[in-house]
Amino acid sequence: NAGVTQTPKFQVLKTGQSMTLQCAQDMNHEYMSWYRQDPGMGLRLIHYSVGAGITDQGEVPNGYNVSRSTTEDFPLRLLSAAPSQTSVYFCASSSGRGYRGYTFGSGTRLTVV
Amino acid sequence: GQQLNQSPQSMFIQEGEDVSMNCTSSSIFNTWLWYKQDPGEGPVLLIALYKAGELTSNGRLTAQFGITRKDSFLNISASIPSDVGIYFCAGPITQGGSEKLVFGKGTKLTVNP
Repeated sequence: NAGVTQTPKFQVLKTGQSMTLQCAQDMNHEYMSWYRQDPGMGLRLIHYSVGAGITDQGEVPNGYNVSRSTTEDFPLRLLSAAPSQTSVYFCASSSGRGYRGYTFGSGTRLTVV
Repeated sequence: GQQLNQSPQSMFIQEGEDVSMNCTSSSIFNTWLWYKQDPGEGPVLLIALYKAGELTSNGRLTAQFGITRKDSFLNISASIPSDVGIYFCAGPITQGGSEKLVFGKGTKLTVNP
């Protein structure tokens, strides 16, 4: 079972560049989320989705866009990268309401210079 | 927004010692989740708690859902080196018909052999 797959694992961007972080899950999960992890800050929610065609903002959505055209994929777009977006990004999915817990990908480490 | 406060932020213990950590909130949660993150990996669900007063074990780990529904505790008995990592509490928040999972800032555990 692949679970939640994130690509790339590492990325270096220059300020102002754009890119898309990919996330795919093969568990037919309806719920998907993007988090960023910074030292001492824990996991902060960027955007989340409760199903195809439905997305909503989390705690720190500025500078990021998402879309959910299929159940399997939930890409995260950085339109114009800034050094403040240097972080480790995690995608997670769940079969339904949060009481079942989320399954996490292994993360994308992004550096913006 | 709703916050989960974890303490302590970090712990340095000797192998074989027991560990206790907790998570508190100003709001009521209907579910508490405990995750562990190994270095360089995504968080993995350890224990899920679904009702007030519930006590659940997973090997050497025991977690409790506080009776006020505003706190939860995680204990690790007879720690071993592979217990090293960051432990997060998490809880689902329902907002406008959607549900999102929020995390505490984590407790970083170091175990000295």
